[in-house]
Amino acid sequence: ETGVTQSPTHLIKTRGQQVTLRCSSQSGHNTVSWYQQALGQGPQFIFQYYREEENGRGNFPPRFSGLQFPNYSSELNVNALELDDSALYLCASRTGGTDTQYFGPGTRLTVL
Amino acid sequence: DQQVKQNSPSLSVQEGRISILNCDYTNSMFDYFLWYKKYPAEGPTFLISISSIKDKNEDGRFTVFLNKSAKHLSLHIVPSQPGDSAVYFCAAALQGAQKLVFGQGTRLTINP
Repeated sequence: ETGVTQSPTHLIKTRGQQVTLRCSSQSGHNTVSWYQQALGQGPQFIFQYYREEENGRGNFPPRFSGLQFPNYSSELNVNALELDDSALYLCASRTGGTDTQYFGPGTRLTVL
Repeated sequence: DQQVKQNSPSLSVQEGRISILNCDYTNSMFDYFLWYKKYPAEGPTFLISISSIKDKNEDGRFTVFLNKSAKHLSLHIVPSQPGDSAVYFCAAALQGAQKLVFGQGTRLTINP
């Protein structure tokens, strides 16, 4: 059974640029969530995708957007990057019948 | 508005002894709770969960206790091992809802 994978591992961008982060869900999982973890904090929910539709969103502006593909993999896109977007971005997947989410290793984004 | 709080940023325990990590929540609607362990440069790893219809759940060395009237949960690790040294996050959810709400984490260090 393959776990959640994310790419890239690390990324450095400058203010104003756009970034795309990728996630492959765990085998058999049809629901994907994205979280942002700032240094010294717990993960904060960004949004969730189920059947290629966003079906829940946290307190993040519209410049954070996403996609889910038919194979349940997902992308997180962030436009107009700001310095405060520097964080660890975590992807988590689960099946529709459980509330337990399984996390990938994360992508460390640094905005200069 | 921090709905889930872990008031101890760090905890140091001697190998073989019991480790007790605490978590408080404010939203009485939460009905599912989880503990995750996180090593540096890795994503959170699911440890154990508990539904609000129970007050205790055990899995090997790990036991989670839930006190709904106090809105408090704790994770007991017995006996503590050096490999348990990590940051521990508690999380809460409404069953069927999209997101997990995390605490800030507690860094557990197991001393030989």
